[in-house]
Amino acid sequence: QKEVEQNSGPLSVPEGAIASLNCTYSDRGSQSFFWYRQYSGKSPELIMSIYSNGDKEDGRFTAQLNKASQYVSLLIRDSQPSDSATYLCAVPLNAGGTSYGKLTFGQGTILTVHP
Amino acid sequence: EAGVAQSPRYKIIEKRQSVAFWCNPISGHATLYWYQQILGQGPKLLIQFQNNGVVDDSQLPKDRFSAERLKGVDSTLKIQPAKLEDSAVYLCASSPLPTAYGYTFGSGTRLTVV
Repeated sequence: QKEVEQNSGPLSVPEGAIASLNCTYSDRGSQSFFWYRQYSGKSPELIMSIYSNGDKEDGRFTAQLNKASQYVSLLIRDSQPSDSATYLCAVPLNAGGTSYGKLTFGQGTILTVHP
Repeated sequence: EAGVAQSPRYKIIEKRQSVAFWCNPISGHATLYWYQQILGQGPKLLIQFQNNGVVDDSQLPKDRFSAERLKGVDSTLKIQPAKLEDSAVYLCASSPLPTAYGYTFGSGTRLTVV
């Protein structure tokens, strides 16, 4: 089982719709979770972090965490064509030990928002 | 604030040749990472430095990959000899703290091994 799994997509949504991106992880000791956005040909950039069960909102982005189900999601409301990118879920590497900043990434979900 | 600088942006080499990548982190950032991102996959950690010391190189294929961070500032990653499966983007990232996860990535070096 991979440490972090995402549906690779592609996920296609119309402009203005809600895009829902999902991620599951295997290490029950994980305490922090991150979403990175990566435009084609560019490097990843951090857009959301979440540490507690429940929802965390930041503008049009909402991260949802359910530690019991080992599941984290990212919702993008009012999706725009500029949101078209690959979204990477990441959790600390070896979270049960001393991960010291190292991350394990999922394979990423390609999101396309069409006008 | 200047970002993480990497060079070259692109490199094409033949298999069994050697190649080196360079990274200059954000000024004052003590922690530096090298990640490998194969097309269609997420980044995979190769090595983490704290100042000029290696914190974790457990995922670095040491038979062909080497990395150093002399003087605790810029870093080089070398592959010798290269294999076809080394074709990837090599990303450098830096962070002010070893426990921070929101680090800044450089623009990467795209390596193609033919």
